[in-house]
Amino acid sequence: AQSVTQPDIHITVSEGASLELRCNYSYGATPYLFWYVQSPGQGLQLLLKYFSGDTLVQGIKGFEAEFKRSQSSFNLRKPSVHWSDAAEYFCAVGAPAGNKLTFGGGTRVLVKP
Amino acid sequence: DADVTQTPRNRITKTGKRIMLECSQTKGHDRMYWYRQDPGLGLRLIYYSFDVKDINKGEISDGYSVSRQAQAKFSLSLESAIPNQTALYFCATSDYGWSQDYGYTFGSGTRLTVV
Repeated sequence: AQSVTQPDIHITVSEGASLELRCNYSYGATPYLFWYVQSPGQGLQLLLKYFSGDTLVQGIKGFEAEFKRSQSSFNLRKPSVHWSDAAEYFCAVGAPAGNKLTFGGGTRVLVKP
Repeated sequence: DADVTQTPRNRITKTGKRIMLECSQTKGHDRMYWYRQDPGLGLRLIYYSFDVKDINKGEISDGYSVSRQAQAKFSLSLESAIPNQTALYFCATSDYGWSQDYGYTFGSGTRLTVV
């Protein structure tokens, strides 16, 4: 069965600093990988996805993620964080043969002025 | 109007009551899902439906039931609500197969409190 681990429950970062959120997955083959963001009181918005090809994926809001097969990881990065990036971030994995997504536990990001 | 609409947005109910959460979508997607979100646990799949006649249990279906009234409507029911069903519930839709443009489209969620 597929699974996702986000090791960091909370991360605090200063505005303007870089951000990296970790995601490790377990799946028997190459999965489809996603990052979603949930702002307070909102639903989930897709930041980026990886299906195949270039392992460095660009997303919305200046985010990028890198797929590393050897490490079963799909870490999310942003070079310079803005106060509006304070939110909860979820990594998710989907099996190519079906549409079900499995989510990690989430990482809550706090941005200090 | 939102692509995926959930009603109600917030609900407080008493233990033992039956409650229905509703989801409707204008995406034209065949596939619909119900997830619950709990702090630290992320989102967990309750039920999913790949078309009107195809309904499947997810990883945490006990205590829940669903109804797919039409392609656009997918309701989640708690037959006899209990306090540990207090959570944020999300409905989501997706197209057949994995779209190269997007994964799921989520509703804004229903915050349910069982007292």
